[in-house]
Amino acid sequence: AQTVTQSQPEMSVQEAETVTLSCTYDTSESDYYLFWYKQPPSRQMILVIRQEAYKQQNATENRFSVNFQKAAKSFSLKISDSQLGDAAMYFCAYRRVRGNQFYFGTGTSLTVIP
Amino acid sequence: DARVTQTPRDKVTEMGQEVTMRCQPILGHNTVFWYRQTMMQGLELLAYFRNRAPLDDSGMPKDRFSAEMPDATLATLKIQPSEPRDSAVYFCASATMGLEAFFGQGTRLTVV
Repeated sequence: AQTVTQSQPEMSVQEAETVTLSCTYDTSESDYYLFWYKQPPSRQMILVIRQEAYKQQNATENRFSVNFQKAAKSFSLKISDSQLGDAAMYFCAYRRVRGNQFYFGTGTSLTVIP
Repeated sequence: DARVTQTPRDKVTEMGQEVTMRCQPILGHNTVFWYRQTMMQGLELLAYFRNRAPLDDSGMPKDRFSAEMPDATLATLKIQPSEPRDSAVYFCASATMGLEAFFGQGTRLTVV
């Protein structure tokens, strides 16, 4: 079974600094998708970024980028120039290309210090 | 702006009462998920449907929970009878094959 592990329950970062959130996953598949979701206090789950496993290039969305290491089964999220609005719970998720289910990690709570 | 719509946003009910949560998935999405989120357990998958057919409800307590998709625009999750341990935020999400899931705003259920 696929598992997703987020080993950092809590992280903090100074405003304007950079922070990296870790995620590892376990799979025997070669083709799959990886996602980072953000859940602010409003509780809405918002997609931050998506990575297709067949793509070697790391995905980037403005201040958010990933470091996708397929062989190591690692998928970290880097937030640059952190803003107060980045404070939230961040979830890493995995989905097989031909699958239905999403597998979520336990989340990392990010605090941004003014 | 396509979005998943969930109702109600918040629900407080007494133990033993029936609770029904509703979800309107994004038009064209063929997969619908129900998740439960608690501090202790995180995000738990309760059930999901593909093309309105239930594919997996193994995460759901069968004796009191039921999930249905009477049509492509409506998914429901019912709890009967409700118990205090059911207090949680319940999310509906929809997706198409291979793409990200879009979440509703969730229903915060409090059973007293």
